[in-house]
Amino acid sequence: AQKITQTQPGMFVQEKEAVTLDCTYDTSDPSYGLFWYKQPSSGEMIFLIYQGSYDQQNATEGRYSLNFQKARKSANLVISASQLGDSAMYFCAMREATSNTGKLIFGQGTTLQVKP
Amino acid sequence: DTGVSQDPRHKITKRGQNVTFRCDPISEHNRLYWYRQTLGQGPEFLTYFQNEAQLEKSRLLSDRFSAERPKGSFSTLEIQRTEQGDSAMYLCASSSQTTGTVLHFGNGTRLTVT
Repeated sequence: AQKITQTQPGMFVQEKEAVTLDCTYDTSDPSYGLFWYKQPSSGEMIFLIYQGSYDQQNATEGRYSLNFQKARKSANLVISASQLGDSAMYFCAMREATSNTGKLIFGQGTTLQVKP
Repeated sequence: DTGVSQDPRHKITKRGQNVTFRCDPISEHNRLYWYRQTLGQGPEFLTYFQNEAQLEKSRLLSDRFSAERPKGSFSTLEIQRTEQGDSAMYLCASSSQTTGTVLHFGNGTRLTVT
């Protein structure tokens, strides 16, 4: 069964520093997609970045990059030059290509606090 | 693109009462999802609609829960005879089967059962 694991319940980072949020996944499907979402205290889920299992390069979106290590089944999110507004909960999620619904399975989340 | 809209934002109800939540997806999106999120946890899938058809339901969706999407546009999620364990954030998301791989979420409805 597919599973997403985020082992860091909480992380601290100094403003302007980079931070890595860990995510490992388990699936038997050779084709899948990996997502990261940000959830501020307001509750909305904001899409950050997507990585397909067959993508040759790691995904990047502005200050966000995804360190995709397929053999290790890890998809860590790297946030560069942290800002105070990055303080939020971050969720890693996966979709299997065999899913007819396109639904996402989420990890437990990591709370990030950016210190001034 | 006005985004996914959910109403109400907050709902406080007494145990045993029925509640109904509404979700308006992005207009061109034919896929709609309901998720439940308890405090400190990731969202858990509840159910999925493609147009007006409910194609998948999680085991989390007990008999007290029912969801509809009558015309393939907005959706409602009803919880009958609420229990304290139903207290959670209920999130709605939508996507396009043909053009989109990303789920777009609404702001959620926070339910508190007292």
